Amino acid sequence: DGGITQSPKYLFRKEGQNVTLSCEQNLNHDAMYWYRQDPGQGLRLIYYSQIVNDFQKGDIAEGYSVSREKKESFPLTVTSAQKNPTAFYLCASSGGLAGSETQYFGPGTRLLVL
Amino acid sequence: AQSVTQLGSHVSVSEGALVLLRCNYSSSVPPYLFWYVQYPNQGLQLLLKYTSAATLVKGINGFEAEFKKSETSFHLTKPSAHMSDAAEYFCAVNVNTGRRALTFGSGTRLQVQP
Repeated sequence: DGGITQSPKYLFRKEGQNVTLSCEQNLNHDAMYWYRQDPGQGLRLIYYSQIVNDFQKGDIAEGYSVSREKKESFPLTVTSAQKNPTAFYLCASSGGLAGSETQYFGPGTRLLVL
Repeated sequence: AQSVTQLGSHVSVSEGALVLLRCNYSSSVPPYLFWYVQYPNQGLQLLLKYTSAATLVKGINGFEAEFKKSETSFHLTKPSAHMSDAAEYFCAVNVNTGRRALTFGSGTRLQVQP
């Protein structure tokens, strides 16, 4: 089955700790995205990558970092600089660069601060 | 830059009644518009999208939306609500210039009363 997997489903972060959220896709998609979802605010773009070894900041990149070493993988690190990391994180991918391309979403990771 | 406004953060309808979820967009270039549905603690699933082929777009689960350029709207409708339609719905816009990632509205939570 083709799709996007995210792990873990729940993640707990201690103060001062960096944590990494995994996102893998087997759809052979070029573009991948990370969104943050907070209640009542919709989804906001953190980072996106349209090709391997290249990525761009979105609207709320501060306190986050990404890498894109392989086409199928786009991990997100939430660093200690992110002071309010509690949120639901969604990874997505799309097959092309056109604005009409559908973005497909993973099941999400919920990050909680201890 | 493009933006999306969803009027009404919560909408409640009776089972069998018409569902109308409102979405207005702002874009200086031709937009592509999307409606996604999200069930609790899950990722987003595409309901339908407008890509300029036809102004009336039919999607899954009996939903449809009409693109009205003069009103800058893309409202989502369903003639008869079902209990299983209870979820959160997001309208989103993308374009073919610059950053090609979705910009989301803040979402509308649909309740269906028996």
